[in-house]
Amino acid sequence: GNSVTQMEGPVTLSEEAFLTINCTYTATGYPSLFWYVQYPGEGLQLLLKATKADDKGSNKGFEATYRKETTSFHLEKGSVQVSDSAVYFCALTQGGSEKLVFGKGTKLTVNP
Amino acid sequence: DTAVSQTPKYLVTQMGNDKSIKCEQNLGHDTMYWYKQDSKKFLKIMFSYNNKELIINETVPNRFSPKSPDKAHLNLHINSLELGDSAVYFCASSLAGQGVTEQFFGPGTRLTVL
Repeated sequence: GNSVTQMEGPVTLSEEAFLTINCTYTATGYPSLFWYVQYPGEGLQLLLKATKADDKGSNKGFEATYRKETTSFHLEKGSVQVSDSAVYFCALTQGGSEKLVFGKGTKLTVNP
Repeated sequence: DTAVSQTPKYLVTQMGNDKSIKCEQNLGHDTMYWYKQDSKKFLKIMFSYNNKELIINETVPNRFSPKSPDKAHLNLHINSLELGDSAVYFCASSLAGQGVTEQFFGPGTRLTVL
């Protein structure tokens, strides 16, 4: 079945550091890929998405590129802020299904 | 003007009790979902309804029964609560048939079974 694997956390960075959170997926065909973010005490919010190979999703300084050859969708940000502290989830849907399959989440803490 | 709301936010109860969690969305969406997030933050879909009809039913015990009285509401009733049901339950909604759509999540209900 479909699955998503993302790097284990927690990740702790200093403000203005470069962030990478790795995400790889297993799926047949061409899934759509997402990054969701969960701030403390809140529900999830869509951060960015990509629906086909080589698409780049971007939002709030975060970027991720859909790489079919490596089945990856790594999240990057050039300069993190304290307000980026949250749990980040990589996810996919496939075949017109609305069912989101999530990775296990990566907790990011950014220190001033 | 909350988009997806859930009540209650916290629910503490004893094993064996029956409880309900309510979800409402005012986004005009036609599809709603329930997700369970365990203590390790792992999120898994439980159910999905489209226009009040069940379309996704993952391997969830029969003690869990979703009910959708209309497109804007999807409630979750849980019978005979067990310790392992302790988790955060998230409701979400989306508009189907629009290509790849965003799901909007509620703030979650933290259920603790003692």
